[in-house]
Amino acid sequence: EPEVTQTPSHQVTQMGQEVILRCVPISNHLYFYWYRQILGQKVEFLVSFYNNEISEKSEIFDDQFSVERPDGSNFTLKIRSTKLEDSAMYFCASRIGGSWSNEQYFGPGTRLTVT
Amino acid sequence: AQSVTQLGSHVSVSEGALVLLRCNYSSSVPPYLFWYVQYPNQGLQLLLKYTSAATLVKGINGFEAEFKKSETSFHLTKPSAHMSDAAEYFCAVWGHSGNTPLVFGKGTRLSVIA
Repeated sequence: EPEVTQTPSHQVTQMGQEVILRCVPISNHLYFYWYRQILGQKVEFLVSFYNNEISEKSEIFDDQFSVERPDGSNFTLKIRSTKLEDSAMYFCASRIGGSWSNEQYFGPGTRLTVT
Repeated sequence: AQSVTQLGSHVSVSEGALVLLRCNYSSSVPPYLFWYVQYPNQGLQLLLKYTSAATLVKGINGFEAEFKKSETSFHLTKPSAHMSDAAEYFCAVWGHSGNTPLVFGKGTRLSVIA
């Protein structure tokens, strides 16, 4: 069964450094999402991406964040200058698209630790 | 706008007992509703979903949920808890419009006591 994959599974970085989290969505999916979950808290939406542009973003997704689909398969989340409060589990999700399509498929997540 | 409230951040049941995890939603459009499970240090796995068909939805691992529009609820149940059910459970709502994201509740941690 096709699945969303994410790399790395765990990333440790120092405050102020740039990180890129990578996701490979399911191949025929058209909508892509990033969510994050700070330890012990709920899953929060960051951004959605469709047709090579951001469709929606939350207030969390400030200028420090960017997303890109550099090729036909990868979907990346970049944090330009990490802060301690960026430490969280980051989930990528994808959806096939169409009014009948209602399920987002989640990857296993990348645990980001900012020290 | 959509929102989800999960009553009880932690629920503890005995093995073999009924599991009831509560979820109430708010939505300006007819919602699609989901329950996800998260095992320790793992990602989100879809348990079941309501998409305006049958109001009683059956999912994986013996779980089911009933959509009650009048109560704006979508509670998750399982007749008999198993030790392997111990996990975090998240209710989520989707406005099924374009790129609107899933909106999650705060989650309920289920503990199963032997």
